[in-house]
Amino acid sequence: NIMMTQSPSSLAVSAGEKVTMSCKSSQSVLYSSNQKNYLAWYQQKPGQSPKLLIYWASTRESGVPDRFTGSGSGTDFTLTISSVQAEDLAVYYCHQYLSSRTFGGGTKLEIK
Amino acid sequence: EVQLQQSGAELVRPGALVKLSCKASGFNIKDYYMHWVKQRPEQGLEWIGWIDPENGNTIYDPKFQGKASITADTSSNTAYLQLSSLTSEDTAVYYCARGGLLWYPYWGQGTLVTVSA
Repeated sequence: NIMMTQSPSSLAVSAGEKVTMSCKSSQSVLYSSNQKNYLAWYQQKPGQSPKLLIYWASTRESGVPDRFTGSGSGTDFTLTISSVQAEDLAVYYCHQYLSSRTFGGGTKLEIK
Repeated sequence: EVQLQQSGAELVRPGALVKLSCKASGFNIKDYYMHWVKQRPEQGLEWIGWIDPENGNTIYDPKFQGKASITADTSSNTAYLQLSSLTSEDTAVYYCARGGLLWYPYWGQGTLVTVSA
């Protein structure tokens, strides 16, 4: 199985600040045949189901605010929130779908 | 509108089995793989497996082989997850999610399973 490691495990920022969080895979999730990275990001707010934010590592799901940006390739990926809002309080998970399915351990975002 | 309505919370005894349901509306489950995901309290997400409801084929994460059994009833547009020989390690929220695409745009609301004597 491909292992997914997220860092940091938690962070606290003030509203309006920029946030970056990392996701690293134990093997590349870049599929050579189509040059696509098989990686998604989800947001899980307290007491809710996960919500899809990003797929193909950088394609924003319809309706997701453009302050959320996914980047990276191969084994190293980043989710950036350009200007954090109070409503962004959540745990963020990366998810590889190249080989079976695995999720990262999550990054918990707290608002100061 | 796509919806996945999961069954209610369960309190079960150690060693017992439990069967959870996920009723779909707004689409035909025959057209999509249906996945199940586990989330232990204050923990991350673990993929359990999927079913192709059209033919009943299933794939499981090795960790859940022998623990989980996924089935589907196309006549009622419902997917099921059965968990056997329950222990405290199985206490978790279980989510169903629609596949088809490789990622999950649609999730159920989750079912809490508590294993306790």
